[in-house]
Amino acid sequence: DADVTQTPRNRITKTGKRIMLECSQTKGHDRMYWYRQDPGLGLRLIYYSFDVKDINKGEISDGYSVSRQAQAKFSLSLESAIPNQTALYFCATGSAGGNTGELFFGEGSRLTVL
Amino acid sequence: QKEVEQNSGPLSVPEGAIASLNCTYSDRGSQSFFWYRQYSGKSPELIMSIYSNGDKEDGRFTAQLNKASQYVSLLIRDSQPSDSATYLCAVNPLSGTYKYIFGTGTRLKVLA
Repeated sequence: DADVTQTPRNRITKTGKRIMLECSQTKGHDRMYWYRQDPGLGLRLIYYSFDVKDINKGEISDGYSVSRQAQAKFSLSLESAIPNQTALYFCATGSAGGNTGELFFGEGSRLTVL
Repeated sequence: QKEVEQNSGPLSVPEGAIASLNCTYSDRGSQSFFWYRQYSGKSPELIMSIYSNGDKEDGRFTAQLNKASQYVSLLIRDSQPSDSATYLCAVNPLSGTYKYIFGTGTRLKVLA
């Protein structure tokens, strides 16, 4: 089983619908992230969290919200989806300890907003 | 201004050659630097990290960091067709923040 699991893997929805992407991890990491990836734009940070009570906006948080329900779970919501939110979304985790700095990514959630 | 810059490519090299990938960053306080490899449709995976000036070697991969010039590079020796992927440069812009910023990636094509 994957250490960082994202659901759903693929989703097609319509403009104005509320969408939730879920991420769970078994790595015991404190830090969790949501990125979106668009062709030519790379990975852009939406939100990140260092523990359950710590939520921080990234560079493109407008139109998104998050919830850190537990250390292992970090959900991304689109309250009212719009077509330019069509993208590949990645959840990632990282450990607060040590100096490796490595991020571990989920397999991605492909979202299409019609 | 984009904080982490990479040439989008594609960079084409023949099999067995050295591939050289470059990345520049804008924040002089950046402390840690990473190279991720991403195959089409897959998630990024870490291949190298570097924290201090100089070279760091791991198998066929060498990461080079020059903080004064604000660039980090990745060399891939004896390039193989399986190395064909997009390589993402990531920077932790301030020590302790762990707010990783990624470049747009360089697509590498290794020609058999």
